[in-house]
Amino acid sequence: GQQLNQSPQSMFIQEGEDVSMNCTSSSIFNTWLWYKQEPGEGPVLLIALYKAGELTSNGRLTAQFGITRKDSFLNISASIPSDVGIYFCAGFWGYQKVTFGIGTKLQVIP
Amino acid sequence: GAGVSQSPSNKVTEKGKDVELRCDPISGHTALYWYRQRLGQGLEFLIYFQGNSAPDKSGLPSDRFSAERTGESVSTLTIQRTQQEDSAVYLCASSRFGGELFFGEGSRLTVL
Repeated sequence: GQQLNQSPQSMFIQEGEDVSMNCTSSSIFNTWLWYKQEPGEGPVLLIALYKAGELTSNGRLTAQFGITRKDSFLNISASIPSDVGIYFCAGFWGYQKVTFGIGTKLQVIP
Repeated sequence: GAGVSQSPSNKVTEKGKDVELRCDPISGHTALYWYRQRLGQGLEFLIYFQGNSAPDKSGLPSDRFSAERTGESVSTLTIQRTQQEDSAVYLCASSRFGGELFFGEGSRLTVL
């Protein structure tokens, strides 16, 4: 299957700072999804991207579908303590195939 | 309910016993996925169902693992002769065809 490289794997940031994480691949994806998982819960969908070059915001979150269709990034502005969690990217390819990144663990220091 | 429902939320079993985990997808979602998540790790694909098509079982780690789904309804993941290495959270997700995956809360399995 397609491989996704998600980075960084973990981040420690001060409250109020902006955060950026990304997923890259050597393969092309049709759709990119970004999820957040908090302890003891399932991943929750944050943003979905359907077209190359698409830039979408959801509150303080902004994500982009790379123009080459091989990458995507997620930015969080002005981080707050409740942003803590693990963020996963996921890419759709082929016939309803989906691959998940390994996750970025975010810690916010108040 | 409106979301994906999984049961049990927690299961503790003894090594060698069989376990069944259940997933109720969102109504109208034709696709259903099972993933395994070991502590501190990412999502490991297990199996995918799409409508009445043959399931994609390529992620099942051994023949002790099996899953069933009748039509577009409930799915059951069965692990036979459980081993300690099977301890993990088992996540179920459903989607419309080609749509975003929506996850349940997961079933946490502990094998003693």
